[in-house]
Amino acid sequence: QVQLQESGPGLVEPSQTLFLTCYYSGGSISSGSYFWSWIRQPAGEGLEWIGRIHASGRPAYNPSLKSRVIISIETSKNQFSLRLTSVTAADTAMYFCARQDATEDHFDFWGQGTLVTVSS
Amino acid sequence: QSALTQPRSVSGSPGQSVTISCTGSSSDVGFYDYVSWYQHHPGKAPKLIIYSVTKRPSGVPDRFSGSKSGNTASLTISGLLPGDESDYYCCSYAGSYTWVFGGGTKLTVL
Repeated sequence: QVQLQESGPGLVEPSQTLFLTCYYSGGSISSGSYFWSWIRQPAGEGLEWIGRIHASGRPAYNPSLKSRVIISIETSKNQFSLRLTSVTAADTAMYFCARQDATEDHFDFWGQGTLVTVSS
Repeated sequence: QSALTQPRSVSGSPGQSVTISCTGSSSDVGFYDYVSWYQHHPGKAPKLIIYSVTKRPSGVPDRFSGSKSGNTASLTISGLLPGDESDYYCCSYAGSYTWVFGGGTKLTVL
C-alpha cells in the first residue's frame, strides 16, 4: 500500500530555514517511473507547486521560489526532503509531498500534509 | 506563472450534475493535455480523480469526467452524492518543468 508521510518542525522562526522530510512506503523511491514533489497550501488559499526531484536527480523548482528552495532525495532511506531558506510569514502553509507519474505528469499519491507556521 | 482560475464555490442537490471550470492560458491549459483534478477533504490526503484531461484512475467512479476546450478545462460530477462534498483543485503542466494549480472550488451538496 503506497503511503507518503511528511515530517518536520511545525514552527519555524522568521529568516530561518524550513526543513521537511517525506518518507515513502509501499514501493521504492528509486523507481524511474516517478518524480517526487512538494506542494503547499496557505490557509484559505489554493495549492502551489514547489518543486520536484527524480531518483536520478534532475530537480525542478517553481520560479517564484527557486532562489530559496532545495529538494533532495535519499534513496537508501526511501525519502526525499525540502529545504526552504529565509522563511517569512508568507511561507506559513500546509506542506504536502506527492508522487508524480513520470509519463503523464499527474500527482497520483499524496501525503496528508504537515502544517508549518513561521513565527517568532 | 499565474494560478489557474476556478469558481470559489459551486453547489448542487443529490442526483444532479455540477461542472467546475478551470481557466488558464495558452501557455498551460490551452497548450498541454496534462490537466489533472484532485478532490481534497481537509485533513486528508488529496485524491487524484482525473488526469490527462479525461482519464480516470482505477477506482474513481465514472460519475467524474473531465474535458477541455481552449484555455478552459472542466470537471463534471454527475449523480451527486453527499460524499462528493469537498474541495476540488485543477492542475496543469505549464512548460519548462513547472506545474500550476487552481485556487480551488468548494462543492456543496445541498
